[in-house]
Amino acid sequence: LAKTTQPISMDSYEGQEVNITCSHNNIATNDYITWYQQFPSQGPRFIIQGYKTKVTNEVASLFIPADRKSSTLSLPRVSLSDTAVYYCLLIAGNNRKLIWGLGTSLAVNP
Amino acid sequence: EAQVTQNPRYLITVTGKKLTVTCSQNMNHEYMSWYRQDPGLGLRQIYYSMNVEVTDKGDVPEGYKVSRKEKRNFPLILESPSPNQTSLYFCASRAAYPYEQYFGPGTRLTVT
Repeated sequence: LAKTTQPISMDSYEGQEVNITCSHNNIATNDYITWYQQFPSQGPRFIIQGYKTKVTNEVASLFIPADRKSSTLSLPRVSLSDTAVYYCLLIAGNNRKLIWGLGTSLAVNP
Repeated sequence: EAQVTQNPRYLITVTGKKLTVTCSQNMNHEYMSWYRQDPGLGLRQIYYSMNVEVTDKGDVPEGYKVSRKEKRNFPLILESPSPNQTSLYFCASRAAYPYEQYFGPGTRLTVT
């Protein structure tokens, strides 16, 4: 079964693009990749879902290389309000088992 | 408004006193899950349900029970709480596809 690994923390500044990478070396053919954002004392909030190549929505982009062994969440032009913990989550296997990363704490500085 | 609600939001109890945390969703979702979140351990799934009367263990089911008698409700039961169950608990729901989960606001439980 796949395992997800992501950096514990990252620092950025307002207006910069932030890229958070999740490693999932043992990802299987029918596994999906999702990302969530969590603010303190709140439930996680879904950001984006992808299977391969690139997916973009109004808040983020998700880049998945051809071998799918990693994925990169890209947040364009971050603001202070993007300071949060970001989780990579694999939806794995035929029974759709959930494999969570431990989260990346992003601090956006003025 | 599409939402997942949990009650209570905060609970302080004593070891061994049975308690139930309720969870309800208004989106007609098939899948529902319970998680606990502890510092440094991320989110760990306790139990999940794929539909009414269908439940299965997650990664940390010991000491917990669930039931799914109606599609919208998925209560979490601690029959004999212990201090190591002190944690922040989240309920979540999703449709069969896409895999977007909707989370409740959380229940902070303290067992003394």
